[in-house]
Amino acid sequence: GNSVTQMEGPVTLSEEAFLTINCTYTATGYPSLFWYVQYPGEGLQLLLKATKADDKGSNKGFEATYRKETTSFHLEKGSVQVSDSAVYFCALNGETNAGKSTFGDGTTLTVKP
Amino acid sequence: EPEVTQTPSHQVTQMGQEVILRCVPISNHLYFYWYRQILGQKVEFLVSFYNNEISEKSEIFDDQFSVERPDGSNFTLKIRSTKLEDSAMYFCATQYYSNQPQHFGDGTRLSIL
Repeated sequence: GNSVTQMEGPVTLSEEAFLTINCTYTATGYPSLFWYVQYPGEGLQLLLKATKADDKGSNKGFEATYRKETTSFHLEKGSVQVSDSAVYFCALNGETNAGKSTFGDGTTLTVKP
Repeated sequence: EPEVTQTPSHQVTQMGQEVILRCVPISNHLYFYWYRQILGQKVEFLVSFYNNEISEKSEIFDDQFSVERPDGSNFTLKIRSTKLEDSAMYFCATQYYSNQPQHFGDGTRLSIL
């Protein structure tokens, strides 16, 4: 079945540091890939997406590139802010199923001033 | 931007009681999902619903759980006889088409006493 493996957290960075959160996946065919963010006490918000190989999703300074050859979708941001502190989930929608999302375990990011 | 709305935001119930969690999907969406997130853990798929029937369900979604769209708009999750281990955040998600991102509600925090 489908699976998503995320870099273990928690991750603690200073403001303006570079962020990478690794995500790799296992799926048949060509899944769609997503990053969701969950701020404390809130629901899941779509951060960015990529639906085919070599697509780059970007939003709010975050980027991730769909790498079919390495089955990866690593999240990056060049300069993090305190307001980026949240839990980040990598997820995929399989090509051949009813569209349910499979989530990684989540990575907690804390950014200190 | 249209939103998925979930009610209530917090439900406290005695063990063994029935609970109904409600979701109002985005109006033109065709696919509906319930997920749960036990505190500090990953987001887990419960069930998907399309064309007025269950498309797929996980092993968590046993006979105590049911879903329906009673009036063609609301999408509900019922737990017939709650257990302590049902305490979690329950997220509704809706989707226009199966390879598109899912839009999540803010969740219902269910606390079983």
